[in-house]
Amino acid sequence: GQNIDQPTEMTATEGAIVQINCTYQTSGFNGLFWYQQHAGEAPTFLSYNVLDGLEEKGRFSSFLSRSKGYSYLLLKELQMKDSASYLCAVRSGSGNTGKLIFGQGTTLQVKP
Amino acid sequence: GAVVSQHPSRVICKSGTSVKIECRSLDFQATTMFWYRQFPKQSLMLMATSNEGSKATYEQGVEKDKFLINHASLTLSTLTVTSAHPEDSSFYICSARDRTTGNTEAFFGQGTRLTVV
Repeated sequence: GQNIDQPTEMTATEGAIVQINCTYQTSGFNGLFWYQQHAGEAPTFLSYNVLDGLEEKGRFSSFLSRSKGYSYLLLKELQMKDSASYLCAVRSGSGNTGKLIFGQGTTLQVKP
Repeated sequence: GAVVSQHPSRVICKSGTSVKIECRSLDFQATTMFWYRQFPKQSLMLMATSNEGSKATYEQGVEKDKFLINHASLTLSTLTVTSAHPEDSSFYICSARDRTTGNTEAFFGQGTRLTVV
């Protein structure tokens, strides 16, 4: 079966750095995605990892270790607008029909 | 970036009626679209994978006769919730994968908030 775990809630301070972890077990792994979702809105794409290592995109970075079934999303220089839910999703299967399975999401609250 | 349009954004219907939700890829062709449901404070649950020109593939536990999916063209998929009941009230979200770039992120529609009264 497939299983994706991430913390339910996290709190951090404006200007700080926060790391959101995600562990997964899946067959046919074909990439890991991070999305940001504000309440009542659709998810927006943040990052994609398919090979081991770190992908950096501005204030956001994402890391993947396939052997450990582990990823993290790193948010730097936190802003109040970063308060949102962060979803880890794993794709299984190849090509255009590979489906995304989402973790339960981590609600991040950024405090002044 | 690619745009996926979902309509309507909100709908309230009476128990027992049917509701149709549309998902369109506006500037790309999508051979595959995905339908998710999200209950409050929970994550997205994949309901079904919609393939253009063929029958949808439903996830375990999702009733195919209740949630009818039609993917008649490369830019349009529809989800019809038949004989809706209050427990079907949820946030429904579609996503589409660009057939040409294919292998990275799926693009999400803005979601449909369904309330069954």
